[in-house]
Amino acid sequence: KAGVTQTPRYLIKTRGQQVTLSCSPISGHRSVSWYQQTPGQGLQFLFEYFSETQRNKGNFPGRFSGRQFSNSRSEMNVSTLELGDSALYLCASSPESAGTPAFGSGTQLSVL
Amino acid sequence: DAKTTQPNSMESNEEEPVHLPCNHSTISGTDYIHWYRQLPSQGPEYVIHGLTSNVNNRMASLAIAEDRKSSTLILHRATLRDAAVYYCILSARETSYDKVIFGPGTSLSVIP
Repeated sequence: KAGVTQTPRYLIKTRGQQVTLSCSPISGHRSVSWYQQTPGQGLQFLFEYFSETQRNKGNFPGRFSGRQFSNSRSEMNVSTLELGDSALYLCASSPESAGTPAFGSGTQLSVL
Repeated sequence: DAKTTQPNSMESNEEEPVHLPCNHSTISGTDYIHWYRQLPSQGPEYVIHGLTSNVNNRMASLAIAEDRKSSTLILHRATLRDAAVYYCILSARETSYDKVIFGPGTSLSVIP
């Protein structure tokens, strides 16, 4: 069974640009969550999607958004990038009724 | 969600048991205790989780104090591949970590 797949693995952008990251969950998993990991702040929850609907949202500005498609694949978008957005962005998927989330390897975003 | 505290770092000799402690004195009655580990350049990997009783799986054992205010992750025979950052987190939901903050975790070094 394939794990959680995130693309791209690495990304370099400049301030003011926007970026879209992609996540393909484990087959059969309908919940997808996104996290930001930085050395200073640790791993912080961004948002969770289930059946194409955002179920929960963390304390991040509106520049961070996401969506989920009917096949459970998810994308997150960051607009007007800032230097502080440089981080490892992780996606996790889980079944609805049981089982703990499984994480992907992440997308390392560098904002110059 | 309640907060956890862990030692910043620990060392172990290869093939010896390792006991990684976690304090969670403000845990609520319905919080699950989860352990994840993260190797460099990878996403967190699920290790084990429990609610009240001690748990065992092929990776590790989880010992939960009777008052649930602390827990210990036990690696029975440390190998070099166990060198990672170990996170102890609490979540009211078994299948999602919304609003959960992963702290800095414990960085485990394994000495050959």
